[in-house]
Amino acid sequence: ETGVTQSPTHLIKTRGQQVTLRCSSQSGHNTVSWYQQALGQGPQFIFQYYREEENGRGNFPPRFSGLQFPNYSSELNVNALELDDSALYLCASSLGHGVNTEAFFGQGTRLTVV
Amino acid sequence: DAKTTQPNSMESNEEEPVHLPCNHSTISGTDYIHWYRQLPSQGPEYVIHGLTSNVNNRMASLAIAEDRKSSTLILHRATLRDAAVYYCILRANTGNQFYFGTGTSLTVIP
Repeated sequence: ETGVTQSPTHLIKTRGQQVTLRCSSQSGHNTVSWYQQALGQGPQFIFQYYREEENGRGNFPPRFSGLQFPNYSSELNVNALELDDSALYLCASSLGHGVNTEAFFGQGTRLTVV
Repeated sequence: DAKTTQPNSMESNEEEPVHLPCNHSTISGTDYIHWYRQLPSQGPEYVIHGLTSNVNNRMASLAIAEDRKSSTLILHRATLRDAAVYYCILRANTGNQFYFGTGTSLTVIP
């Protein structure tokens, strides 16, 4: 148990729809990162939030957006869903974002786009 | 971020030591070496990290080559619960993400 919880655990959406995934970070952690993991691949960085501000973004289009709340929980929003968006979405929380920082991952949300 | 190279898969017998190699020939002087593992149907889990010196914790040991161009994660006695994908990751001062790559899938044979 990492103390990082994600909801929902599984989700099925139709192409073109919008989806919101949620992450509750470990107590005291002020940094949240989101990753997309396609089947058989390693996780790919989407973006990171530090104290409610975006603090870096990977190679994902603008239809992937996020938010971090004052309690440091976070949301990942994906608009205009495509079939290739089907993946496991992982949230990781940490205290800060330094190179020496350990990240704690949730169990992920499995998104299927049909 | 500098990239890492790992074997796609490895096997080990239960209760024997396992040495998981990682090459990172383009590592810079301030890059930290992190190891995470991902058990089936779970998110990645922190294992260990280090900069220059060898590191030990309750889960594993990390041996870092003197030139830092390679490192080895050592599991001292493999158990069936250690079957997972192991990722060797470099973290740079200029980046805030983990670059996972495809990792090494470890199979533990009873």
